Amino acid sequence: DIQMTQSPSSLSASVGDRVTITCRASQGIRNDLGWYQQKPGKAPKRLIYGASSLQNRVPSRFSGSGSGTEFTLTISSLQPEDFATYYCLQHNTYPLMFGQGTKVEIK
Amino acid sequence: EVRLVEYGGGLVQPGGSLRLSCAASGFTFDDYAMHWVRQAPGKGLEWVSGISWNSGDSGYADSVKGRFTISRDNAKNSLYVQMNSLRPEDTALYYCVKDISPYCYGSGPGFDSWGQGTLVTVSS
Repeated sequence: DIQMTQSPSSLSASVGDRVTITCRASQGIRNDLGWYQQKPGKAPKRLIYGASSLQNRVPSRFSGSGSGTEFTLTISSLQPEDFATYYCLQHNTYPLMFGQGTKVEIK
Repeated sequence: EVRLVEYGGGLVQPGGSLRLSCAASGFTFDDYAMHWVRQAPGKGLEWVSGISWNSGDSGYADSVKGRFTISRDNAKNSLYVQMNSLRPEDTALYYCVKDISPYCYGSGPGFDSWGQGTLVTVSS
């Protein structure tokens, strides 16, 4: 099975900060990775697909990069509505696997 | 508008069985793969199982393999999961999820629509 290691598990940041979240795959998954945002009590929402393509209607402050085994989600200037938990998901092969999640909290 | 509504959650004893259903509307159901994803209280997301558009391919998380069976009825626009030999660690909110691709893995897939979930509690 491909394991996804996401870091950090949580972070505190201020509005306007640049935030970076990383996912590492235990073996190469090309760019078969998406990033999802989940707010409390809500279903997740996809932000990034194909490791670096922005989902429609997602603000351009979100970006994704990487290929193979190392992937990054960057929020260029954190906004109040971005405080949430973020997950990567590999869909290269079965079993599909989420990262452990990164909770972004207000400093 | 895509709508996914899950049914069938509830309280079940360890070792028991439960069948979850998902009623889909607002899109051409048999064009897309479908998945079940769960979230234990206060925990992260866990992919449970997925099935391709024509039921030709399906996959399972290691934690449920041999106990859960996913299926779909394209004529009824419905997705199911039969859960047997339930354990306390299966307690979670179970989401029905639509893929953007006909297939569950590879370069195309991604989860673009989620239901609100149905809660399964396994406890004596």
